[in-house]
Amino acid sequence: AQSVSQHNHHVILSEAASLELGCNYSYGGTVNLFWYVQYPGQHLQLLLKYFSGDPLVKGIKGFEAEFIKSKFSFNLRKPSVQWSDTAEYFCAVKSGTNAGKSTFGDGTTLTVKP
Amino acid sequence: GAGVSQSPSNKVTEKGKDVELRCDPISGHTALYWYRQSLGQGLEFLIYFQGNSAPDKSGLPSDRFSAERTGGSVSTLTIQRTQQEDSAVYLCASSLFQGDGYTFGSGTRLTVV
Repeated sequence: AQSVSQHNHHVILSEAASLELGCNYSYGGTVNLFWYVQYPGQHLQLLLKYFSGDPLVKGIKGFEAEFIKSKFSFNLRKPSVQWSDTAEYFCAVKSGTNAGKSTFGDGTTLTVKP
Repeated sequence: GAGVSQSPSNKVTEKGKDVELRCDPISGHTALYWYRQSLGQGLEFLIYFQGNSAPDKSGLPSDRFSAERTGGSVSTLTIQRTQQEDSAVYLCASSLFQGDGYTFGSGTRLTVV
């Protein structure tokens, strides 16, 4: 069965620091990849997605992610975080054989100190 | 509608009672998904629908759980004879097509006492 691993459970940064959240998945075939964000008190929302083409994808609020097929990774990045980026971030993958269901990582809680 | 709507937002029920959770997806979204999120846990897949059919119901924890979708729209998740371990936030999501990303609802927080 496919799985998604997010390496950091909790990340604490100061404002203006750079962010990189790791995500690795275990599936050798075609995948669709996603990052979701859940701000405090709000519901989950899609941050960005990758289907094919340019492996560097840009999402909302200045976030981007890079798909590295050889490393089975889809890390999330932001050059300069803000206090408002404090949230929980989830990586998810849909495999080609079961493109309906997404498998989610356990999430990374990001705390940005003002 | 403009978003995915779930009701009720909160439900407290006694152990052994049946509950129904409702999800109204975005109009035109063919795929609908149910997940649950327990405290401190990730998202656990339950079932998904493509139209009114459920190609994958592998995540339903037991035969106490069932779900249906009618008219390619509203879905109901039913939990019979609730147990305390059923306490969680039940999330519904929909997507325009099967491989796309999800739009989530706000969830139903179920507490079994």
